[in-house]
Amino acid sequence: AQTVTQSQPEMSVQEAETVTLSCTYDTSESDYYLFWYKQPPSRQMILVIRQEAYKQQNATENRFSVNFQKAAKSFSLKISDSQLGDAAMYFCAYRSADPRRSNYKLTFGKGTLLTVNP
Amino acid sequence: EPEVTQTPSHQVTQMGQEVILRCVPISNHLYFYWYRQILGQKVEFLVSFYNNEISEKSEIFDDQFSVERPDGSNFTLKIRSTKLEDSAMYFCASSPYREYTEAFFGQGTRLTVV
Repeated sequence: AQTVTQSQPEMSVQEAETVTLSCTYDTSESDYYLFWYKQPPSRQMILVIRQEAYKQQNATENRFSVNFQKAAKSFSLKISDSQLGDAAMYFCAYRSADPRRSNYKLTFGKGTLLTVNP
Repeated sequence: EPEVTQTPSHQVTQMGQEVILRCVPISNHLYFYWYRQILGQKVEFLVSFYNNEISEKSEIFDDQFSVERPDGSNFTLKIRSTKLEDSAMYFCASSPYREYTEAFFGQGTRLTVV
């Protein structure tokens, strides 16, 4: 079974600074997807960024980028120029890409609560 | 932009009562999921549903839980006899087809069992 570990229960960053959230995962599969979801106080789950395991290039979405290290099974999220609206719980998630599967559930980590200080 | 909608946003129920949580997935989506998040903990998979049947369920999804797609638009999660430990946020999600990368989440229903 796949597992996702987020070792930082809480992180804080000054507005306009950069912060990196860590995520490691365990899987025996070679093809999969990784995601970062943001959960603000409204509790809505919002997709921030995704990475296909077969791609060597790290995904980037505006101020959000990832450092994907497949051999190390590491998938960290970097937030540049942090804004007050970035304050939220961030979840790392794994999804298989095995075509033999009947569905593609997400496996989540425990989350990292990010505080942005003005 | 199409979105997954869940009702109610918050439900309070007495222990032992039945509750039905409702979800309207995005209209052309075929795969549906329920996830649960106990306060302060991680989001956990409950069940996936396709072609009017359960395709996978977790060990959490015991006989007290059931899912149904009663018509062409709604997707419901029923808890037959609620327990205090069922208090959680319940998220519905949907995908257009099996291989689609992203699951679209609803805003969640907060269930409080007293």
